[in-house]
Amino acid sequence: AQTVTQSQPEMSVQEAETVTLSCTYDTSENNYYLFWYKQPPSRQMILVIRQEAYKQQNATENRFSVNFQKAAKSFSLKISDSQLGDTAMYFCAFTTNYQLIWGAGTKLIIKP
Amino acid sequence: KAGVTQTPRYLIKTRGQQVTLSCSPISGHRSVSWYQQTPGQGLQFLFEYFSETQRNKGNFPGRFSGRQFSNSRSEMNVSTLELGDSALYLCASTRDQETQYFGPGTRLLVL
Repeated sequence: AQTVTQSQPEMSVQEAETVTLSCTYDTSENNYYLFWYKQPPSRQMILVIRQEAYKQQNATENRFSVNFQKAAKSFSLKISDSQLGDTAMYFCAFTTNYQLIWGAGTKLIIKP
Repeated sequence: KAGVTQTPRYLIKTRGQQVTLSCSPISGHRSVSWYQQTPGQGLQFLFEYFSETQRNKGNFPGRFSGRQFSNSRSEMNVSTLELGDSALYLCASTRDQETQYFGPGTRLLVL
């Protein structure tokens, strides 16, 4: 079965701290894309970062970076210098057969 | 470039009625996907269309259907609404098998 597991239902950190969200997945495919999306209270789903599975180099987008371990099927998200606007639900997902397989999400709260 | 748009944004229906939701993709994107998001089930894939053809369908009853038009706009229809159909319905577009960009969603409440 193709699944995504996010083992941290909720996390909270102080503003400016660094936080890492965990994600493991299971797929038998070799080529796929991995994503982190955030969903703030507005419910708009916003792309945070993307990783192509065939690339060994970890993706980075400003304060956001990933640690992609293909053999371990692990895809964690690190947020540096966290800001109040980072407060949201964060979803890990990967593509297969024209669809996204989603994790259950991690609720991240940034405290002032 | 304009993002994905969805209409209506909010909808209240009663059990047994039917509803049609609309999605306009980003210009140039030919693939449109639909997802249902509920507190209990999380995000679940409904279906995906590319060039007016359904390429994949999730595990939903036949009451859920969709279509795509020649301009890539897509609609989904839910007939004989049930209370459990209350959800946020998200539409996403992509060029093909790449990053999906999401619309603001349609919140459906079934009474």
